[in-house]
Amino acid sequence: GAVVSQHPSRVICKSGTSVKIECRSLDFQATTMFWYRQFPKQSLMLMATSNEGSKATYEQGVEKDKFLINHASLTLSTLTVTSAHPEDSSFYICSAREDTEAFFGQGTRLTVV
Amino acid sequence: DAKTTQPTSMDCAEGRAANLPCNHSTISGNEYVYWYRQIHSQGPQYIIHGLKNNETNEMASLIITEDRKSSTLILPHATLRDTAVYYCIVRIQGGGNKLTFGTGTQLKVEL
Repeated sequence: GAVVSQHPSRVICKSGTSVKIECRSLDFQATTMFWYRQFPKQSLMLMATSNEGSKATYEQGVEKDKFLINHASLTLSTLTVTSAHPEDSSFYICSAREDTEAFFGQGTRLTVV
Repeated sequence: DAKTTQPTSMDCAEGRAANLPCNHSTISGNEYVYWYRQIHSQGPQYIIHGLKNNETNEMASLIITEDRKSSTLILPHATLRDTAVYYCIVRIQGGGNKLTFGTGTQLKVEL
């Protein structure tokens, strides 16, 4: 299957700082990428849909000014967690669509201290 | 997308078949059944999908009932590495590919 790469796999940051997570489709072009968040022992929750060349679509309850999404090319989407707080600590996962299938990155473990 | 119901957890002995059920009684005619799994601290991995015919690939088999209200994912010879949370999702193919994850089934494969 297609490969989606996320970077970094793990990051620790101080409260109040911003963190950028990258999601790349390595062997295909993705006009649409998705960002999920997963808290311990819970399922994945969709945060937003990232569209190449246009604004992201955010799910209800997700602050667009806090979770900045940029999808500047067909192979790269970035999620920036701005002014991170300990409650933002979570597992962030991206997904990219290739043809009719969705493939997932390996996830980014964010810890805000 | 139609809602699915799965058991919270299941155990399976290594080498035996693992049969994971999923109920999707409100599935629409154009909705497919997809299965993904998530090994601890990793992103979800696609396993298999189908519309109404049974499907098989190198990972698993998918059995869909004739009325399409339920399905079973079969791992024919479970190994310890198959321990994961298995998600059954129904959706329109290509419908923006937005996947709505339920709580899934935690499969534990033991010696």
